Amino acid sequence: DAKTTQPNSMESNEEEPVHLPCNHSTISGTDYIHWYRQLPSQGPEYVIHGLTSNVNNRMASLAIAEDRKSSTLILHRATLRDAAVYYCILRDWAGKSTFGDGTTLTVKP
Amino acid sequence: GAGVSQSPSNKVTEKGKDVELRCDPISGHTALYWYRQSLGQGLEFLIYFQGNSAPDKSGLPSDRFSAERTGGSVSTLTIQRTQQEDSAVYLCASRWDYGSPLHFGNGTRLTVT
Repeated sequence: DAKTTQPNSMESNEEEPVHLPCNHSTISGTDYIHWYRQLPSQGPEYVIHGLTSNVNNRMASLAIAEDRKSSTLILHRATLRDAAVYYCILRDWAGKSTFGDGTTLTVKP
Repeated sequence: GAGVSQSPSNKVTEKGKDVELRCDPISGHTALYWYRQSLGQGLEFLIYFQGNSAPDKSGLPSDRFSAERTGGSVSTLTIQRTQQEDSAVYLCASRWDYGSPLHFGNGTRLTVT
C-alpha cells in the first residue's frame, strides 16, 4: 500500500494561514489524495480530495505537486475550531484507504 | 440526511467474551470500511467491502476478528474471545463510489476488562 508521511504536530496562530504538508513518494498514477480531520471523540471528517490538479472548497485548498509525490492542505484562516488531527491518505485503484498517524494541529488564540 | 450510525456507542466486556459491533451505512453507499483506533493512535484498516465483491480482509489482526455485510447494507464486526489489547474505538465508514469521500460514524468504544 502506498504510504503517506506527515509531521507529528504543527502549531498556528488564530486567523493565520496554515500549510499542512504530506509526502507520498510511492503514489501511483491512479491514487487519489484525500484529507480528513478528526476532532476529539468524533469520527474523521472529510476535508478535500484531488488527483492531479489543485482543488478548492469551502473548507480548504489542496495543492498537489507536479510530480504528485507531495501535497499541501491549506487552511486560509485558522480558527480555534480547526484544532484537530489531520490525515492525508491515498485511495488506491481498488478503493482501499489507508490512514497514517496524521498531524496534530494546535491553534493558538 | 442520516449519516453512518454505529451501535453500541460504548461496550464493556469481560476478557474471553464475544462481541458484535454494528454499522448502518448511508443508504445507497456501495462501499463500507472498518477501522480500529487505539488511544492516541491513527486509524488501523481492518476490512473493506465493495458491492458484491469479496471483501478485502487484509487488515484483520487475527482469526478472532470477522465481519459480514448483509444485503449490501448493514455490517457487523465480530470479535471472538476478546483480549485486553482489543480495547479501542472501532470506526465504520461508507462511501458512494470510488471517487467519493468516506463518511464516518462516531465509533464504538470497546473496553475489555
